[in-house]
Amino acid sequence: QKEVEQNSGPLSVPEGAIASLNCTYSDRVSQSFFWYRQYSGKSPELIMSIYSNGDKEDGRFTAQLNKASQYVSLLIRDSQPSDSATYLCAVNPPSGYSTLTFGKGTMLLVSP
Amino acid sequence: DAMVIQNPRYQVTQFGKPVTLSCSQTLNHNVMYWYQQKSSQAPKLLFHYYDKDFNNEADTPDNFQSRRPNTSFCFLDIRSPGLGDAAMYLCATSRATSGTSGDNEQFFGPGTRLTVL
Repeated sequence: QKEVEQNSGPLSVPEGAIASLNCTYSDRVSQSFFWYRQYSGKSPELIMSIYSNGDKEDGRFTAQLNKASQYVSLLIRDSQPSDSATYLCAVNPPSGYSTLTFGKGTMLLVSP
Repeated sequence: DAMVIQNPRYQVTQFGKPVTLSCSQTLNHNVMYWYQQKSSQAPKLLFHYYDKDFNNEADTPDNFQSRRPNTSFCFLDIRSPGLGDAAMYLCATSRATSGTSGDNEQFFGPGTRLTVL
């Protein structure tokens, strides 16, 4: 069974620090990887997608992918209290009729 | 702005009373998804449509049905809601279900919070 694993947290960091969120996946042939942010009581919001090994940066966010280790991470630089949310990792297998598998999410708490 | 819209945002129903949730999109995406999300859990895919092609997840109860009358609209029908069906119901869309070009990025609506009394 395809699985996506995340530490449920909470991960607590002070304002201005770097938050590091991690995700592992079991399906070795997965090709597409996504990070969603979900505030309490709200719907998930796509913040990063990554498709090839290495780093992808977008503003304060950096996604890192290592397919050999089946590992994807999200770094948030200069963390702000408004970043406090649950971050969901999602994985999509390769071509065919496939859909996303979500992890349970990691709760991030950024203290002022 | 292009978006995914869900109505109503909050729905209260009685045990066993049928309820319909709606989703519409202005993104002109091929694929529409329905997820169920309970507190502190991952979104659970119920089914999805690729254009008119309906795909039911194996563990989706028969109590849940869906309709997609056109590209823009999709409905979730819960025929006889039970207490265990209380959850957030999320609609999402994407251009495709797989690929590496961004076509499979899913965009969510605001969700409908369902309460069953």
